[in-house]
Amino acid sequence: GQNIDQPTEMTATEGAIVQINCTYQTSGFNGLFWYQQHAGEAPTFLSYNVLDGLEEKGRFSSFLSRSKGYSYLLLKELQMKDSASYLCAVKDSNYQLIWGAGTKLIIKP
Amino acid sequence: TAGITQAPTSQILAAGRSMTLRCTQDMRHNAMYWYRQDLGLGLRLIHYSNTAGTTGKGEVPDGYSVSRANTDDFPLTLASAVPSQTSVYFCASSDSEEGELFFGEGSRLTVL
Repeated sequence: GQNIDQPTEMTATEGAIVQINCTYQTSGFNGLFWYQQHAGEAPTFLSYNVLDGLEEKGRFSSFLSRSKGYSYLLLKELQMKDSASYLCAVKDSNYQLIWGAGTKLIIKP
Repeated sequence: TAGITQAPTSQILAAGRSMTLRCTQDMRHNAMYWYRQDLGLGLRLIHYSNTAGTTGKGEVPDGYSVSRANTDDFPLTLASAVPSQTSVYFCASSDSEEGELFFGEGSRLTVL
């Protein structure tokens, strides 16, 4: 079966750096997405990786290794507003998105 | 503001009753999706539509139906609601198979 694994919850300190890992096993691969979801709100797009390597977008970076079935989302200079759930999702060979359960990130002052 | 609009925002429904969740987008996206989100689980695809006039079943289609009469609207109908359909429902759209998803604000449905 298809599976996306990411930690259930992480805690970090304001101003610090945190890395959220995601491992996947899917039927084919057509890209990996990270979304941010604040409590009670809709998910919003953060990043997309289809080739190996690091994609940087401001304070957020996302890394992909297709051979290892692995990605991480790196958040720098953490702010209180970064407290949210971070969802990892992979598009399989049929271009259907397979979603992880999300990582709840708690930022402490 | 352009985007996706869902209605209602929340609803309490008696078991056995029918309900239609509405979804409208103004981005002229071809693909639209309905997901449900339950605590501890990833988003699960209920139904999707790659273009107006076509629909397909997702991972958890039982008990739900959809229609796509035009590009903008993609309603989700529960013919006879059951308590296990208590969830938050998200409608989403994308401009292509490779594209990112844009989500509506969600509809919180409670079936008693």
